Amino acid sequence: NAGVTQTPKFRILKIGQSMTLQCTQDMNHNYMYWYRQDPGMGLKLIYYSVGAGITDKGEVPNGYNVSRSTTEDFPLRLELAAPSQTSVYFCASSWDRGRGNSPLHFGNGTRLTVT
Amino acid sequence: ILNVEQSPQSLHVQEGDSTNFTCSFPSSNFYALHWYRWETAKSPEALFVMTLNGDEKKKGRISATLNTKEGYSYLYIKGSQPEDSATYLCAPRMDSSYKLIFGSGTRLLVRP
Repeated sequence: NAGVTQTPKFRILKIGQSMTLQCTQDMNHNYMYWYRQDPGMGLKLIYYSVGAGITDKGEVPNGYNVSRSTTEDFPLRLELAAPSQTSVYFCASSWDRGRGNSPLHFGNGTRLTVT
Repeated sequence: ILNVEQSPQSLHVQEGDSTNFTCSFPSSNFYALHWYRWETAKSPEALFVMTLNGDEKKKGRISATLNTKEGYSYLYIKGSQPEDSATYLCAPRMDSSYKLIFGSGTRLLVRP
């Protein structure tokens, strides 16, 4: 099992450009999450999904969009990149029966710089 | 907005010292409490997931306890080693919202 795979590892964007951060998992997990690492603030939840076709907003969803057309994939889209979106982005997944008692498996992160 | 507090924010200890830190969360609508270890330039890794009041879990020199009635969990490290240097994150799962919101973490530095 590869686990949770994120691509690309690094990216530099100009202000106003768009891009998609890819996340795929091969563990047949139903829950998937996108977090961003804010300095001194730990991890902030952007969006999450509890299954194919179901997504919902987290703490900081503005400026981002997601889709979950398959169990394996959960891409995160930035439409108009802004310097405030410079961060390290982590995708995570878990197999959860609704009680929140399964640990998250994290990808290796995507480091994004917007200039 | 879910209020998750971790204290202290950072901690410097000497190798061999034992240490502990706290995660506080609302006591109502509790489902589970997660602890993660996050080394610099790596991804967070799960340490424990606890669900029941009074739960105690142990992994090597690291252990955790849970008090759901008063809304807190303690993480203990016995005989800290330099390789324990990391940020320790907690995340409570509350009600049926499916969200997992993390605290800001406790950054531990163990000096040799």
